[in-house]
Amino acid sequence: EDKVVQSPLSLVVHEGDTVTLNCSYEVTNFRSLLWYKQEKKAPTFLFMLTSSGIEKKSGRLSSILDKKELFSILNITATQTGDSAVYLCAVGQGGKLIFGQGTELSVKP
Amino acid sequence: GAGVSQSPSNKVTEKGKDVELRCDPISGHTALYWYRQSLGQGLEFLIYFQGNSAPDKSGLPSDRFSAERTGGSVSTLTIQRTQQEDSAVYLCASSLRWEGTYEQYFGPGTRLTVT
Repeated sequence: EDKVVQSPLSLVVHEGDTVTLNCSYEVTNFRSLLWYKQEKKAPTFLFMLTSSGIEKKSGRLSSILDKKELFSILNITATQTGDSAVYLCAVGQGGKLIFGQGTELSVKP
Repeated sequence: GAGVSQSPSNKVTEKGKDVELRCDPISGHTALYWYRQSLGQGLEFLIYFQGNSAPDKSGLPSDRFSAERTGGSVSTLTIQRTQQEDSAVYLCASSLRWEGTYEQYFGPGTRLTVT
């Protein structure tokens, strides 16, 4: 059975901390791995990774994929209260995305 | 519009009634997807369209659920004889192509409550 597992499920940190969110997967016909941020309703796109070992970076966020070990990490440095959200990992399989349960990040002032 | 739009944003219906949810994808996006997010659950794939055809309907939970897309643009998800377990946020997404290597952009969702 195809599955995407995220850890931890929830995390509480203080502003300025660095966090690492994990995503492991067992999915047939892997095409890509995507990270989304969900604050209210619509998940907003962060990164898409297709190749191992190539870091993608946007501001304080970065992500990398390991296709041999079947996992990805999302790093957030110098966290801010505005980073509080649920972070979703999804694997593209053919035409659909298979999502993990999400990691709920809470950043305290 | 610039992004994916969905309507209505909220829908409350009585058990047993039919509902229609609408999705308007980003202009030029050929692929369109429907997902469902129940309280405390992850996003669950329902169906996707490549143009007007639906190669993968594997996620539709029962034959009460159907979807169509006309003109390669707007899509409608129909739920017949709604049940309380259908209560969820229904999210639509679109992407430039369908092959799984294009980012999917999500709409704001329709929150469906079945009473």
